[in-house]
Amino acid sequence: IVMTQSPATLSVSPGEGATLSCRASQSVSSHLAWYQQKPGQAPRLLIHGASTRATGISARFCGSGSGTEFTLNISSLQSGDSATYYCQQYNNWPPITFGQGTRLDIK
Amino acid sequence: EVQLVESGGGLVQPGGSLRLSCVGSEFSFSNNAMTWVRQAPGEGLEWVSTLVGDGHTTYYADSVKGRFTISRDKSRNSLFLQMNNLRAEDTAVYYCVKTALARENGGWKFDLWGQGTLVTVSS
Repeated sequence: IVMTQSPATLSVSPGEGATLSCRASQSVSSHLAWYQQKPGQAPRLLIHGASTRATGISARFCGSGSGTEFTLNISSLQSGDSATYYCQQYNNWPPITFGQGTRLDIK
Repeated sequence: EVQLVESGGGLVQPGGSLRLSCVGSEFSFSNNAMTWVRQAPGEGLEWVSTLVGDGHTTYYADSVKGRFTISRDKSRNSLFLQMNNLRAEDTAVYYCVKTALARENGGWKFDLWGQGTLVTVSS
C-alpha cells in the first residue's frame, strides 16, 4: 500500500492551525498512525487508530479519517511543533508502509 | 524510565557485515514485538524487520530479505540485527522500536523508539 502525504512542506505562523493530509492507495480502514519527528530526534507516536491520541499527547493534535483519506489537525501551533510528520498504515502487512512526510515549519 | 538504546553502528565497506544491538529498560522484550526501522540521510522512514510472538516469527522488507537477520535474547532483554552483504543503499540511521499489536487486526504500531545508530556503507 502506497501512502502519499501532502503538502510536502507547510509554513504556518505561531498560534495558527495546520492541516496535514495522508492518502492510501487502497483502503486501510482506520489502521493508521501518525508520528512526529523533530530535527535530530527519533520519531514519536502521536495518533493511532486514525484518531486516538497516544499517551501524553496534547489535545491540540487531532486525527481523523478512514478508508483512504486521513487528516492530522494541529491547533494553536507553537515553535516546538516544528517537525516532520509521517503517516503509517498497519492494515495490510507486511510490509508496513510510511508516507514520505510533511515538514511543518512554524515561523 | 522506559527506553531503548541502540549500539553497533559504524562505517563498513560494501559487502561487509555489522551487528546492531538494542537494549531495553523498564519493560520486557519477551512480552513485546520488536522492529527495526531505518532512515537514510535526509529521507523518510523505512520498515526493515519485525520479530513477534515467541521470537521465531520474523518478517523482512524485500530490500533486506536474505541479508539481514533479526533476533532476540530474552535473558539480556536485547534485540539484534545481523546485517550481511551490506550495500551503499543500506546507509541509514537504524531505530530499534517497541511494537504494539493492534487489538483489532494485530497490525504493528510503533510506540517507543530508540535514539538510533548510524550505519554507513562506503569504501
